[in-house]
Amino acid sequence: QVQLVQSGAEVKKPGASVRVSCKASGYTFTDYYIHWVRQAPGQGLEWMGRINPKSGGTNYSQTFQGWVTLSRDTSINTAYMDLSRLSSDDTAVFYCARGSFTMIAVINPFDYWGQGSLVTVSS
Amino acid sequence: EIVLTQSPGTLSLSPGERATLSCGASQSVSSSYLAWYQQKPGQAPRLLIYGASSRATGIPDRFSGSGSGTDFTLTISRLEPEDFALYYCQQYGSSPWTFGQGTKVEIK
Repeated sequence: QVQLVQSGAEVKKPGASVRVSCKASGYTFTDYYIHWVRQAPGQGLEWMGRINPKSGGTNYSQTFQGWVTLSRDTSINTAYMDLSRLSSDDTAVFYCARGSFTMIAVINPFDYWGQGSLVTVSS
Repeated sequence: EIVLTQSPGTLSLSPGERATLSCGASQSVSSSYLAWYQQKPGQAPRLLIYGASSRATGIPDRFSGSGSGTDFTLTISRLEPEDFALYYCQQYGSSPWTFGQGTKVEIK
């Protein structure tokens, strides 16, 4: 079955960086985009960006452009989200989610989600 | 950017009642690429409806979606205890992908 398993909770100091991983299984990793979504405490869902695991190509929300970097390692079916220059406002749960096909022009919603990774930023 | 506005913010209903949730878009959502997700505390969102009206795999038929263009609706025909949760709409037809702010369905 399709699964996205994310890395565990992190506690970081302001100014630090964090990497969250998302390991895919149960399907061909390079066949579907991976998206990243932020949810601050008690708040809604905010799209951050997506990566094409086949090509490595990325698209970012303007909100996150310049301080989030998406990457992947196809040898271990894993996508990564790096967030830099953390501040206390960045405390949130980050989700990865599977999106559309990479090679076929069929647009899909986010049908599978990781369990979420809590990043706490505190001095 | 397509802004999605959900109403009401909170819906207080009893089990067995009908829930009607609305999602309005600031511009037309292309090809009805509109989805609904359910989120329970401490859990990831779960896809309920895509293409405005198609149920995702395993979703009970008490959940239905309708609408096109800029106005969409999620209806839960008879609320079960497990349906009390947060619901988000999302447009996934154009970048940036955007979500509504959510509607909380709570027990009256």
